[in-house]
Amino acid sequence: DVKVTQSSRYLVKRTGEKVFLECVQDMDHENMFWYRQDPGLGLRLIYFSYDVKMKEKGDIPEGYSVSREKKERFSLILESASTNQTSMYLCASRLTESNSPLHFGNGTRLTVT
Amino acid sequence: AQTVTQSQPEMSVQEAETVTLSCTYDTSESDYYLFWYKQPPSRQMILVIRQEAYKQQNATENRFSVNFQKAAKSFSLKISDSQLGDAAMYFCAYGLETSGSRLTFGEGTQLTVNP
Repeated sequence: DVKVTQSSRYLVKRTGEKVFLECVQDMDHENMFWYRQDPGLGLRLIYFSYDVKMKEKGDIPEGYSVSREKKERFSLILESASTNQTSMYLCASRLTESNSPLHFGNGTRLTVT
Repeated sequence: AQTVTQSQPEMSVQEAETVTLSCTYDTSESDYYLFWYKQPPSRQMILVIRQEAYKQQNATENRFSVNFQKAAKSFSLKISDSQLGDAAMYFCAYGLETSGSRLTFGEGTQLTVNP
């Protein structure tokens, strides 16, 4: 089974802090994604990556950046955390084939105070 | 831009009964894929079922089936013989027929199963 591991299940940070959310997958998937999940809004795509050192903006990239130095790892960075970034963050990966499903991590619930 | 809409924020069903969750999407493309994901309280997103737009036959997976109406851009999920373990948030998702395409998700429907 594909395993997507997010480094933290819960995280509490202060406004203005730099925050790193880490995600690792073990199935050699080319594509990795960061989504944000908020009640009533579903999942919204922040950033995604097709390959190492490649990144593409999703629908809500403002306030975020990403890093993909190795194929298995995709990091989401909040340069200066703000309270409106309090949310659930979901990492996912998939193969290149278009009908392949997304495999998700268990999510990181981030609270910014 | 493609959009996915789930108009039912909450649904409930009696155990052993059947329930249908609605999903509509907007696209100008002809080749794409549709998915239903389930998110139980554990937060782990689980693929329930997928449908290729070029297939006329509706996908089925055990107690789960879809009603795919391409012209109407509708993709509903039917859960038969509902079980307590079906209680979860359900998300509909759309992806293009291109390699590595991103998925666009709906707002989600919270399903409660009553014993």
